[in-house]
Amino acid sequence: DSGVTQTPKHLITATGQRVTLRCSPRSGDLSVYWYQQSLDQGLQFLIQYYNGEERAKGNILERFSAQQFPDLHSELNLSSLELGDSALYFCASSASLHGDTQYFGPGTRLTVL
Amino acid sequence: DAKTTQPPSMDCAEGRAANLPCNHSTISGNEYVYWYRQIHSQGPQYIIHGLKNNETNEMASLIITEDRKSSTLILPHATLRDTAVYYCIVRAPNSGGSNYKLTFGKGTLLTVNP
Repeated sequence: DSGVTQTPKHLITATGQRVTLRCSPRSGDLSVYWYQQSLDQGLQFLIQYYNGEERAKGNILERFSAQQFPDLHSELNLSSLELGDSALYFCASSASLHGDTQYFGPGTRLTVL
Repeated sequence: DAKTTQPPSMDCAEGRAANLPCNHSTISGNEYVYWYRQIHSQGPQYIIHGLKNNETNEMASLIITEDRKSSTLILPHATLRDTAVYYCIVRAPNSGGSNYKLTFGKGTLLTVNP
């Protein structure tokens, strides 16, 4: 158990809909990272937050957004969903800004029908 | 971050040592070697990391060559539960911008056979 929790575990929705994925980092970790893993793309970095502020962005679509709250949990919002958004979404956390060692949650499996 | 090369797959007998190689010939002096693994559809799991000295923890040992151009992750007594994709990642800590991320390649699928 990494100490990172993610909810929900599974999510099935339809095209055009909007969903919110939630992540609670390990106790004391200030950095939260979101990754997407699809069959054809592998694990891809989406975005990082540190202590409530966005710090780094990867290939995150404009339809996706994230935030980190004062209690350090983070949410990833996916809107106008397309079939190709079906993937595993992982959250990771680290103690430092620089993410030297990241601890991953169990992931949320999103299926868009 | 330096590019890494790993074999796509390896087999190992249960109870034997699994030695997973990684080439990182363009590694820079301040870049660390990290190993993560991902058991099917689970979140990646941190295993170990090192700069130039060999490292050992409760999960594995990491051997880095003197020129730092390659490394080997050693699982001393592989079990069936060690079947996973193993990722070798090279990155510089305390680096800014998009280097906060981990860049995962395709990794090595290690299959431990009974």
